[in-house]
Amino acid sequence: GESVGLHLPTLSVQEGDNSIINCAYSNSASDYFIWYKQESGKGPQFIIDIRSNMDKRQGQRVTVLLNKTVKHLSLQIAATQPGDSAVYFCAELISNFGNEKLTFGTGTRLTIIP
Amino acid sequence: EPEVTQTPSHQVTQMGQEVILRCVPISNHLYFYWYRQILGQKVEFLVSFYNNEISEKSEIFDDQFSVERPDGSNFTLKIRSTKLEDSAMYFCASSVSTGGGSGYTFGSGTRLTVV
Repeated sequence: GESVGLHLPTLSVQEGDNSIINCAYSNSASDYFIWYKQESGKGPQFIIDIRSNMDKRQGQRVTVLLNKTVKHLSLQIAATQPGDSAVYFCAELISNFGNEKLTFGTGTRLTIIP
Repeated sequence: EPEVTQTPSHQVTQMGQEVILRCVPISNHLYFYWYRQILGQKVEFLVSFYNNEISEKSEIFDDQFSVERPDGSNFTLKIRSTKLEDSAMYFCASSVSTGGGSGYTFGSGTRLTVV
């Protein structure tokens, strides 16, 4: 069946460096993707989203890249800070006759090293 | 900034007991959801709710689960007879419309421990 998955479960990055978190999806009909950040003891927090008619979208210190050819999604965080340490999930919004649900990937734990 | 509020933050219950997890969605939101996250695993969809009825439910959401919006502010998830495998974080979410985006807001979750 369709799935959204992540390449690496953990990633450690030196403070100030850039980080890249990757995600693969298998449903070629997917048209909307979201990156969430989850800090310990908290719920998923929206970071940035992208629709399939785009291949890049930028926010504050974050960029999402979408490669539909290889069904790959990435989240780039520039100039990482200690507060960026968290688990990052990609998610796919599945719509079915007006009903929606999010399908999440497994998650990547990002650790920023001071 | 408006928040989705969940209570309690942690619930411990004995196997076979009923539990009710409570959520107060953002006041002008119309769509409501429950998700769960077993420790160390990904977040999984349970159920969506709109216009006082279930819109969609997953295979996880069997007859032991039910949802209710008993008044204009609360949205509850009930598990009738808890099993050990129901131990997880349960997240409530709400949105003002469909289409995703930053308006899809999650609560901080209730950690349910079944012993």
